[in-house]
Amino acid sequence: DIQMTQSPSSMSVSLGDTVTITCRASQDVGIYVHWFQQKPGKSPRHMIYRATNLPDGVPSRFSGSRSGSDYSLTISSLESEDVADYHCLQFDEFPLTFGSGTKLE
Amino acid sequence: QVQLQQSGAELAKPGSSVKISCKASGYPFSSYYISWIKQTTGQGLEFIGYISSGSGGTNYNEKFKDKATLTVDKSSSTAFMQLSSLTPDDSAVYYCARSDYSSYVGSYWGQGVMVTVSS
Repeated sequence: DIQMTQSPSSMSVSLGDTVTITCRASQDVGIYVHWFQQKPGKSPRHMIYRATNLPDGVPSRFSGSRSGSDYSLTISSLESEDVADYHCLQFDEFPLTFGSGTKLE
Repeated sequence: QVQLQQSGAELAKPGSSVKISCKASGYPFSSYYISWIKQTTGQGLEFIGYISSGSGGTNYNEKFKDKATLTVDKSSSTAFMQLSSLTPDDSAVYYCARSDYSSYVGSYWGQGVMVTVSS
């Protein structure tokens, strides 16, 4: 199975910060990475699809990028509503695999 | 609007089975796949497998092949997952999710079902 190594596992943040979370894939997964946001007791919310694209309704302060096997989610000018857990997902190869998650505190 | 409504929390005894449901609305049910995902505090999110809502064809993560059975009822636009031979390690929140953006897991998720296995 493809391993998605996500870092950091947790991060202390302040309002207005620029935050970057990274997932490193154990093998090439192309553009086939999604990012999800999850708040306590809620289902994951889709924030980035195919590595760099924003679904409708996602604020433009969220962005996704790729450099080789490293995939990043960046939040510019962090707002209070962005404090949550974030998960990456690769869907290039079956079984789909998630990163271990990043908790913004 | 697209909705996936899952059944309620389950409390089950070790060795028993549970069957949880995911009722879809707001889109042509048979045109999409439904995936199932397990979430625990220790293991994070794990992909269990998917089912084609149109053909009923399935594909399971090897890890869950003997644990989960996925089915659909097209007449009620509902997907089901049966978990068998339950152990405490099966205690988790289970989500269904619809395919989207060229992926078996996309933007639409159910609200999750907490399954607790305890004697």
